[in-house]
Amino acid sequence: QQQVKQSPQSLIVQKGGISIINCAYENTAFDYFPWYQQFPGKGPALLIAIRPDVSEKKEGRFTISFNKSAKQFSLHIMDSQPGDSATYFCAAREGAQKLVFGQGTRLTINP
Amino acid sequence: GAVVSQHPSRVICKSGTSVKIECRSLDFQATTMFWYRQFPKQSLMLMATSNEGSKATYEQGVEKDKFLINHASLTLSTLTVTSAHPEDSSFYICSALGGGNSGELFFGEGSRLTVL
Repeated sequence: QQQVKQSPQSLIVQKGGISIINCAYENTAFDYFPWYQQFPGKGPALLIAIRPDVSEKKEGRFTISFNKSAKQFSLHIMDSQPGDSATYFCAAREGAQKLVFGQGTRLTINP
Repeated sequence: GAVVSQHPSRVICKSGTSVKIECRSLDFQATTMFWYRQFPKQSLMLMATSNEGSKATYEQGVEKDKFLINHASLTLSTLTVTSAHPEDSSFYICSALGGGNSGELFFGEGSRLTVL
């Protein structure tokens, strides 16, 4: 019940396209859903986060869509650029509890 | 945003030696820090939760005597890998829970440990 399932494992998108990464969870007590971006050899960096009281949050080219009834949330990267090539992790947390991470998606943006 | 500094970024040691990794919150106080381990092409695996002034809480399967965690101040937590072996080679990442209501987690840059 503590798992967060992320898909796809890897994704290749052409420059300028839309990258979409999906996550699903079971624990309805989760109340914080962040996305992290990680470059090779570096620690993860917070990209964008959402709480379940909203269905969408947009920051620049990055949008989180949240479907509470389906217990799913997704990251959309608009106008994807080669610099967006990285590994992306979704995560979820209940209150002050530990973060539960998804398995990660390796995104490659072809020029 | 808040900065978490991790040191060293890379360390190579001989089997049987101990290695200490430091995690510092540079511009905020962190009562709670977390230590993760990450294998190549895999997700982050939580090892332990470190609370300032108290003993760390270890995840199931993580050896307390091998991975010593100390959180002696509000800005510093250390992870010591004792009697390191090649199978301990990994990428270790710390994170600190920011203050305020955001509950945002700030990550360090990670430390690559190679045990020969």
